[in-house]
Amino acid sequence: DQQVKQNSPSLSVQEGRISILNCDYTNSMFDYFLWYKKYPAEGPTFLISISSIKDKNEDGRFTVFLNKSAKHLSLHIVPSQPGDSAVYFCAASGGNKIIFGKGTRLHILP
Amino acid sequence: DTAVSQTPKYLVTQMGNDKSIKCEQNLGHDTMYWYKQDSKKFLKIMFSYNNKELIINETVPNRFSPKSPDKAHLNLHINSLELGDSAVYFCASSSGGGYSTEAFFGQGTRLTVV
Repeated sequence: DQQVKQNSPSLSVQEGRISILNCDYTNSMFDYFLWYKKYPAEGPTFLISISSIKDKNEDGRFTVFLNKSAKHLSLHIVPSQPGDSAVYFCAASGGNKIIFGKGTRLHILP
Repeated sequence: DTAVSQTPKYLVTQMGNDKSIKCEQNLGHDTMYWYKQDSKKFLKIMFSYNNKELIINETVPNRFSPKSPDKAHLNLHINSLELGDSAVYFCASSSGGGYSTEAFFGQGTRLTVV
């Protein structure tokens, strides 16, 4: 029973264009949503988060949007760079745990 | 200085053996976690400890026993290893559950049971 879903296992985007990664969740009790980036043979590293009381948070090239009524969040990366190629995990926090989605592998094409 | 460190990085062992994975964090965090990433790359929480006390046990078999000797350490002991235990295990820590946001992860331990 997945509480956090990332329905696209992979995504390819041209360098310089916008990458949009999507995530859906089912539990209304989550109070924070996070994005993590993971390179092979490394642990996930925190990228950006958003509180459930906000609808947008921006940090440099990364922006996370939250639509609570739709239980949907998205991560926008613009412009996309080669170093952005990685697996991106959406996660939701609440009740002493952080629940992760299955991840989306992002390929930035030259 | 590594924030969350886990050892060993790789572990190959035979079915039926008992093994431990150690985890230490130097961030002063109250909450530590163990996650399992299986062959389908799904990162799933196993345990959560807050101030040395077990908070979450996500229906993990009894063969898995976490031990938290102090707030900075959360070790994972696995008895009678099975082939299906092969996975990458990640330790993580955060400054608190619920309200807390960011969790810091170790580099992972790739366990292979043969």
